[in-house]
Amino acid sequence: GQQVQQSPSSLVLQEGENAELQCNFSSTATQLQWFYQSPGGSLVSLLSNPSGTKHTGRLTSTTVTKERRSSLHISSSQTTDSGTYLCAIERNNNRIFFGDGTQLVVKP
Amino acid sequence: DPKIIQKPKYLVAVTGSEKILICEQYLGHNAMYWYRQSAKKPLEFMFSYSYQKLMDNQTASSRFQPQSSKKNHLDLQITALKPDDSATYFCASETGVGNTLYFGEGSRLIVV
Repeated sequence: GQQVQQSPSSLVLQEGENAELQCNFSSTATQLQWFYQSPGGSLVSLLSNPSGTKHTGRLTSTTVTKERRSSLHISSSQTTDSGTYLCAIERNNNRIFFGDGTQLVVKP
Repeated sequence: DPKIIQKPKYLVAVTGSEKILICEQYLGHNAMYWYRQSAKKPLEFMFSYSYQKLMDNQTASSRFQPQSSKKNHLDLQITALKPDDSATYFCASETGVGNTLYFGEGSRLIVV
């Protein structure tokens, strides 16, 4: 089965609205990261958050390790936030698993 | 300036041929990875290397062979190419387990 599951698979917002992305994982993780991928582009790490809550700019990630879930909150969305958001977990053996991603579209 | 350089960015290859995808990282990282992303599947782990040694291998086919000639290099040799190999191949690196993972811009391979 898939190690990392993300929801929703896609999300359409009006500019200025907030987004809440979810990530659930099936095994213990030594690290959890949220990535952003622009259409046809590479992946950029947004936040590393194996546990607790972290903020950077308009992004807030909350990871509850015991419940094996993490969320990414994007406040006051902008059209430039459009793209795919990927959740990834790392296990002890250096193997990193990615979810299918959430495709976000922010309309002006 | 990109810190992880992948070459070529785009590549069209003929079925049955052999190609090498180049990856060099200038971040001083010890761990390097190859991932594959195709339209049909999510980002898929292929190999992990640490200090130039293979740590983990998820690829079923022996047609995919990583090569690490230097600490900051991890190339990917693909032999007997098939159309199903068409994908974007991403190289990544990190300082060690549990640290931030950095990606290259990818090599987009199309096999015809």
